[in-house]
Amino acid sequence: QSVLTQPPSASGTPGQRVTISCSGSSSNIGSNSVNWYQQLPGTAPKLLIFSNNQRPSGVPDRFSGSKSGTSASLAISGLQSEDEADYYCTTWDDSLSGQVFGGGTKVTVL
Amino acid sequence: QVQLVESGGGLVKPGGSLRLSCAASGFTFSDYYMRWIRQAPGKGLEWVSYISSSGSTIYYADSVKGRFTISRDNAKNSLYLQMSSLRAEDTAVYYCAREGLSGGACDIWGQGTMVTVSS
Repeated sequence: QSVLTQPPSASGTPGQRVTISCSGSSSNIGSNSVNWYQQLPGTAPKLLIFSNNQRPSGVPDRFSGSKSGTSASLAISGLQSEDEADYYCTTWDDSLSGQVFGGGTKVTVL
Repeated sequence: QVQLVESGGGLVKPGGSLRLSCAASGFTFSDYYMRWIRQAPGKGLEWVSYISSSGSTIYYADSVKGRFTISRDNAKNSLYLQMSSLRAEDTAVYYCAREGLSGGACDIWGQGTMVTVSS
C-alpha cells in the first residue's frame, strides 16, 4: 500500500488529454513539493515535473503538473504513442521523515 | 557527460551482505545530495536512503533502517550502499540518483544494478 494514491491505469487515443491524480495527506503533499517521473519499459525513471509544476529542460510542454491542497495531478496533452509508460508521483513526508512514492500509473495509448 | 554508473549487484543468500557503488562523472559530485531508490521486479519505485552533500545528514526508509548504510566519498566521486541482513524482499533493481533540482527532484539517474536475495 503506497502512501500516495494513484490510479493504476489511464488511457487515451493519440491527441487526447490524459490526467493522472496523486492523492496524499497534510504531512506529504500538503507540506511539500511534488515531483513526477516517467519510466519507459526497461529503463531508469526520468524526471518529468519538479516543484509541482516546473518542467526540466528538454521536457515537452505537453506535460504539465499542478497541486492543490493534499492532491496533485499530471496532465499529458496531445497524447503520443511514445508517452506509453509508467508515471510516478513523489514527495517528502514529514511524519515519516522519508520520501514517498505513488504506486504508479500505467498510461496506454489506444 | 553527466552520468551515474552503479555496480556491485548480484545474487546473495538471505542474511548475507552486499555493497553497491555508484560512480559519478561529469559534474561536481560534492555539490549534490544523493539518493538510492529501488524497484522490485514488476513493482513500483521505493525510496531507500538519502545523504546530504557533505554526508552529515542521512535518512533511511523504515524497511531498511538498521540494515543498510549509505555513505559517500567525495574525493572519489562515489556513493555507496552497504546492505546487510538481506531479505528476499530486498530483491530489486537499485538506482542511485542525483538530487539536482528544487523540491528534492532527482534529475540524473544511473542505469540501475540488480540485487537478488535467494537461497
